[in-house]
Amino acid sequence: GQNIDQPTEMTATEGAIVQINCTYQTSGFNGLFWYQQHAGEAPTFLSYNVLDGLEEKGRFSSFLSRSKGYSYLLLKELQMKDSASYLCAVRDGDYKLSFGAGTTVTVRA
Amino acid sequence: ETGVTQTPRHLVMGMTNKKSLKCEQHLGHNAMYWYKQSAKKPLELMFVYNFKEQTENNSVPSRFSPECPNSSHLFLHLHTLQPEDSALYLCASSQDEGKGADTQYFGPGTRLTVL
Repeated sequence: GQNIDQPTEMTATEGAIVQINCTYQTSGFNGLFWYQQHAGEAPTFLSYNVLDGLEEKGRFSSFLSRSKGYSYLLLKELQMKDSASYLCAVRDGDYKLSFGAGTTVTVRA
Repeated sequence: ETGVTQTPRHLVMGMTNKKSLKCEQHLGHNAMYWYKQSAKKPLELMFVYNFKEQTENNSVPSRFSPECPNSSHLFLHLHTLQPEDSALYLCASSQDEGKGADTQYFGPGTRLTVL
């Protein structure tokens, strides 16, 4: 099967920056997704990377290095509403999507 | 994404009951998915339908039975479940399964408790 690793929990202060790392080992690669999931709610799409480099969307940025099997999601100017679980998902060579277990981010005042 | 709705939002059932979960997407997508989400575990893909045809059955026990009458509706029929089946069941849809940039959009899920 596929192997996708991300930290279980992270805590940061309001206004700070947090970086959530994701490493993966898959049979082939056809893109990496980040989703945000608030407790009791649906996962919502944040970003998609298929080429190496940084994709920026407002306060959120996502980076990919295919050679290292590595991605990170960068959350800047943290707000209380950013407290959520962040899911890394990788599409493999057969175009199947596999998810990591998620990183729970807690933002403190 | 309010484009994907699921009912009921919460369900408690005994091991001998039969119930069904319903998912509806209003996004004009062609693919629909059922996932199981247990605490602290990755989302587990259960079933995939593309253009109403089942394209994936991820070794799911037969006590879970999917049905896709059209591209907008997806059901998960449940019978003789076990307590370990208690989890959040998420439905998702996407434009076309198998394309690289194809993005899945999720419903809010059904929180299932099996007693």
